[in-house]
Amino acid sequence: QKEVEQDPGPLSVPEGAIVSLNCTYSNSAFQYFMWYRQYSRKGPELLMYTYSSGNKEDGRFTAQVDKSSKYISLFIRDSQPSDSATYLCAMKEAAGNKLTFGGGTRVLVKP
Amino acid sequence: GAVVSQHPSWVICKSGTSVKIECRSLDFQATTMFWYRQFPKQSLMLMATSNEGSKATYEQGVEKDKFLINHASLTLSTLTVTSAHPEDSSFYICSAPSRQGDNSPLHFGNGTRLTVT
Repeated sequence: QKEVEQDPGPLSVPEGAIVSLNCTYSNSAFQYFMWYRQYSRKGPELLMYTYSSGNKEDGRFTAQVDKSSKYISLFIRDSQPSDSATYLCAMKEAAGNKLTFGGGTRVLVKP
Repeated sequence: GAVVSQHPSWVICKSGTSVKIECRSLDFQATTMFWYRQFPKQSLMLMATSNEGSKATYEQGVEKDKFLINHASLTLSTLTVTSAHPEDSSFYICSAPSRQGDNSPLHFGNGTRLTVT
């Protein structure tokens, strides 16, 4: 079993819909949680960085962390075709900077 | 925001030759940088941790003599793929924390696509 599980998709939604992404993990030592967006042939771009359980909002993006269930989510409101990309969750323990990534979910927002 | 620059963005080389990839932190200093490898439609796999002024730390299964890492300054780390073979063809990405300390997010370069013919 992988440490971090993420549905590979693809997830296809119409423009304007809410995109809902999630990851589950097994390592209770993970304390910091990140969401990255990766366009084809590009490096990952940091979208959200969270520590506490609960919600964090930044523009159209909301990150949700539930440490008790070992479950994190990313919601994208008012999705745009430019949001079409692969979204990677990543997490790390309290010490150090070593990230463990989910496999990524490919999202396609159709005009 | 924190910017990590990677060069070249793509390279094609012949089997048996060596290729050097540079990773620079443009607006911050990074005592630690990380090198990842990504195969098509797969997630990122950490190869090694580059430490300024000391030896790199390699992940299990990564050949340190094949993937040479040098972190000569606080803004530059290099990865040299030595005696490259077609199976080394991949997308290589570096990253660095934008500030020192354990709670800093990692920022990634735009990657280098290596094709070995």
